[in-house]
Amino acid sequence: NAGVTQTPKFQVLKTGQSMTLQCAQDMNHEYMSWYRQDPGMGLRLIHYSVGAGITDQGEVPNGYNVSRSTTEDFPLRLLSAAPSQTSVYFCASSYLGFTAKNIQYFGAGTRLSVL
Amino acid sequence: GESVGLHLPTLSVQEGDNSIINCAYSNSASDYFIWYKQESGKGPQFIIDIRSNMDKRQGQRVTVLLNKTVKHLSLQIAATQPGDSAVYFCAESLTNDYKLSFGAGTTVTVRA
Repeated sequence: NAGVTQTPKFQVLKTGQSMTLQCAQDMNHEYMSWYRQDPGMGLRLIHYSVGAGITDQGEVPNGYNVSRSTTEDFPLRLLSAAPSQTSVYFCASSYLGFTAKNIQYFGAGTRLSVL
Repeated sequence: GESVGLHLPTLSVQEGDNSIINCAYSNSASDYFIWYKQESGKGPQFIIDIRSNMDKRQGQRVTVLLNKTVKHLSLQIAATQPGDSAVYFCAESLTNDYKLSFGAGTTVTVRA
């Protein structure tokens, strides 16, 4: 069972470079989201989506773009990387519905360093 | 067992003892709460959840208690094992909202 797959696992960027973090899930989940995790802090929501073609901002969206063209994929784009975006990024997905509400399943994460 | 006051960032537990991890949530309108376990280098894993119409829910070796009066959530782990060493996060969400708000996490270390 693949679940939520994130690539790459590690990435080093220079300031100003752009890149896309990939996230794919094979559970047919409607809801997908991106979080960042910084040392000593919980997870903070960057962007989320409740279905293909629908995205919205979370708590810390600045500097990040997302799109959702399919149910399975939810890429996160950094347009011009900054050192403040050094973090561990997690993608998560879940069903929409009362009985399984908010049991989000997480990927293994992408560790990003911006120099 | 060993317990923590209202959210301390670390907890050291003797193997075999019971652990209690506390979490103070922020929004009295939150109606859904969930605990995750995060092992080093991995993504968070679901442990147990509870809705606001309940005050207790039990799983395998884990129990979650909810006190809405003081906006407090706790996770009890029975007979703590070395594999329980991890960071534990509580999260909350509002009615009809699928977004989760996470706490800062508690690092649990199990002593042999």
